Amino acid sequence: GAGVSQSPRYKVAKRGQDVALRCDPISGHVSLFWYQQALGQGPEFLTYFQNEAQLDKSGLPSDRFFAERPEGSVSTLKIQRTQQEDSAVYLCASSPGPLNTEAFFGQGTRLTVV
Amino acid sequence: AQSVTQLGSHVSVSEGALVLLRCNYSSSVPPYLFWYVQYPNQGLQLLLKYTTGATLVKGINGFEAEFKKSETSFHLTKPSAHMSDAAEYFCAVTSTVWDAGGTSYGKLTFGQGTILTVHP
Repeated sequence: GAGVSQSPRYKVAKRGQDVALRCDPISGHVSLFWYQQALGQGPEFLTYFQNEAQLDKSGLPSDRFFAERPEGSVSTLKIQRTQQEDSAVYLCASSPGPLNTEAFFGQGTRLTVV
Repeated sequence: AQSVTQLGSHVSVSEGALVLLRCNYSSSVPPYLFWYVQYPNQGLQLLLKYTTGATLVKGINGFEAEFKKSETSFHLTKPSAHMSDAAEYFCAVTSTVWDAGGTSYGKLTFGQGTILTVHP
C-alpha cells in the first residue's frame, strides 16, 4: 500500500503478557517514529529510527519497552510483561528524510491490557 | 527542549462560524510547525505546515495558520465551520536535535489536542 500500515489494529493482552506491534512505513522513508497516545491525550514520543539506527529512545517509559528496525524498513515495538498503564494507542509515523518536515502516520494499534 | 501548548481542550462553534484553535510553542531553534487532524479511530492527517517562507500557510479543507515568531504562536483558523470539521486537532513542532554521535534529525513534539465540536 501507499501509506503507513500498522498491525494489529486492536490488541487485547492479559496483564503480564508480551506483545509485539508492527509498523510498515512508506517504502524508502528514512525516518520512523513511535508514539504512545493515551486516552484524551496528545501523542507522546517514544523512539526514533533513522534507517536501521535507533537514534533516540528517550521516550520509552521503562525497560519493558523495546523497538527495532533491523533492515531499515519494517519496525516492531515490543512490550514485555504488559501492565494496565500500557493501555493506549501506539502510533507509527514515517518521513522521507531526517528533517521530518512531513510525517505520515499509520492508523495506530489500540492496546488494551486487562 | 521544545514544547507545545494548545489553549482550550474543547472548542465548540456553530456551523458557519469562525474556527480559531490556539497553539503556542517553545523552541530553542527556529521550528517547523504543523497542524494535524484526527478523526475517531483514525491516525493523524496533516492539515498544514510551516517550514520557511510565507508565514501565512494554507492547508486542506479551507484551514490556514499564521506563524508569528514574536508571539511564538501558530493559531489555526477557518472562516466558516462545517459539520465535517468536527474532530480533534493537534499542533506539533519539529526542532532539529543531535544525538551523541552528531547525527541530526527533526524531533516531532505534539500538544495535548483540542476537540472541535460543530453545532448545526
